[in-house]
Parts: sequence; C-alpha cells; structure tokens
Amino acid sequence: DIQLTQSPSFLSASVGDRVTITCRASQGISSHLAWYQQKPGKAPKLLISGPSTLQSGVPSRFSGSGSETEFTLTISSLQPEDFATYYCQQLNAYPVTFGGGTKVEIK
Amino acid sequence: EVQLVESGGGLVQSGGSLRLSCGASGFTFSDHYMDWVRQAPGKGLEWVGRTRNKANSYTTEYAASVKGRFTVSRDDSKNSLYLQMNSLKTEDTAVYYCARATIKPYYMDVWGKGTTVTVSS
Repeated sequence: DIQLTQSPSFLSASVGDRVTITCRASQGISSHLAWYQQKPGKAPKLLISGPSTLQSGVPSRFSGSGSETEFTLTISSLQPEDFATYYCQQLNAYPVTFGGGTKVEIK
Repeated sequence: EVQLVESGGGLVQSGGSLRLSCGASGFTFSDHYMDWVRQAPGKGLEWVGRTRNKANSYTTEYAASVKGRFTVSRDDSKNSLYLQMNSLKTEDTAVYYCARATIKPYYMDVWGKGTTVTVSS
C-alpha cells in the first residue's frame, strides 16, 4: 500500500499567516493527489486535485504543488474559516489512501 | 442540487450485519464511480471501497481491512449506492460517508453528510 505522511500533524497559526502543509508518498504517485478540508462534524470537501487544480468555488489563497513523492498545500493568507483539518489522498493505486491529517488551529 | 444522502446506520453487536444506503440526486448517477469512506471517532479518513460504473462492469475495489466482509453495490435504476457490512467488529465503529468520484481521474468531489455505525462488544 502507498503510505502518505503529512507534516506537521498539528499547526497553530494566526489569521493572515502563510501556511504550508507537506504530504510525502512512500512511492511515486505521479500527480494523482488531492487535498481535502474537513471541519468538525462535517464531511470532507475536495479543495485541490491533480495536485494543483483548484476546485470551483475554492478561494485562490489555496494552492497545491508537487509530483511523485512530495506535495504541498499552501494557504497564502490564513482566514478564520480556514481553521480545519486537511487531508491529502492518493489515487495512483489501490487501495486509495489518505494522509493522517493536519489540524490547523488558531494561535 | 447535487446531493448524496446516507442512511441505515445504527447500533449493532459484534459479529452482526448492517446495510447502508446512499441516495443520489442532481447528477447522472450511472456515469460515476462511487466510494465509501469512513472515519472512526477522533481519527482520520479511511477509504473503504469503490464501485465502478456500468461501462467498467461495476467492478469493485476494497480496503484490506474490510475485504471479504463488506460489499459495495449499486442500483443505477434507483440512483442508489449500498454497503453491505457483515461480520462487524468493534473497530468498524465510524461515520460512513458515500462520495461521488469525478469522471477520470476519480477524485471524490461530492460527499454525503455521513451515517454513524456503532458496533458494540
């Protein structure tokens, strides 16, 4: 199975901060990676796929990059509504796997 | 409005069975692969399984943790997705989400609100 390791697992930041989350794959997955945002008690929401294509309606402060084994999600200026848990996901091979998540909290 | 609504969750004893349903509306259900994803209390997301569409013979894929115990199926005439769960274990306790996969490359772009399954010992 392809393991995805997210870092950090927890991040404390202030409104306006630039935030970067890393996702490392245990083997190359080409560009078959997505990022999801999940708020407490809610379903995940697809933010970015492929790994830099922003989904419709997602603010441009979110961006994604990377290929093969290293990927990043960047929030250029953190907003109050961005405090959530973020997961990466690979779809290069079955089983589909998720990273362990990065919880972004208010400093 | 594109929507997925899960149902069928509840409390079941270890070793028991449960069938989850997911009703779809607002899109052409038969075109899409469909997934089940679960989340144990306080834990991260775990993919459970997938059914492909008719064009791909409704073939299925499963996580190792559920293979042989869970079955994903669909009824395109009813715009419905199912998850038959047998031989349930306490570690299957989770919120179960159904999700729609995009037309290739199959990211999960629409999610239901989830249904809770609790397996007691």
